[in-house]
Amino acid sequence: GAGVSQTPSNKVTEKGKYVELRCDPISGHTALYWYRQSLGQGPEFLIYFQGTGAADDSGLPNDRFFAVRPEGSVSTLKIQRTERGDSAVYLCASSLFPTNSPLHFGNGTRLTVT
Amino acid sequence: GDSVTQMEGPVTLSEEAFLTINCTYTATGYPSLFWYVQYPGEGLQLLLKATKADDKGSNKGFEATYRKETTSFHLEKGSVQVSDSAVYFCALSPTNTGNQFYFGTGTSLTVIP
Repeated sequence: GAGVSQTPSNKVTEKGKYVELRCDPISGHTALYWYRQSLGQGPEFLIYFQGTGAADDSGLPNDRFFAVRPEGSVSTLKIQRTERGDSAVYLCASSLFPTNSPLHFGNGTRLTVT
Repeated sequence: GDSVTQMEGPVTLSEEAFLTINCTYTATGYPSLFWYVQYPGEGLQLLLKATKADDKGSNKGFEATYRKETTSFHLEKGSVQVSDSAVYFCALSPTNTGNQFYFGTGTSLTVIP
């Protein structure tokens, strides 16, 4: 079956602009995660959805970052007033159950802020 | 807080050599432990997992044993192949929440013919 799909695969934007990153999880997976991976680092947790609600957004670095999942499937990560430090690969993952189930990752969106 | 410490790379081995990538963890309770692999140009994918002490996860010739006494989950393979060249991430999922996975910094492995 189809895996986790992320679009776009690459996004270049100017400092100060607004961006949206999309994630389409595996069908039937109730849990959805956003991670950020900087060069040479492991994925860093941003936010976790169980269904439509953000169950844990403690990893969002500041209020410029926001994510939604209005129908419990597709999710959008939104970044306002982008800064050069936001440049990273943004990973989306989904899992069948919220507790200790393996994560299925998408290929990520590489965001470059110039 | 919960965390994972992973052996730094990069690691370069000849084909058929023995591989060990060290991983130790800090956690309260009894976390689940995972190894993820990222092949060039691809997304992270689960390689193996163990959910309780003394469990051994295995897949594609790779093995890792959950050692609570040493808080370790070292990845091993007896004979690596060129196709094993990738970045390997150790990860932990706490039992109390399950929603936050903590990843190590990754170890890059290159296998040369």
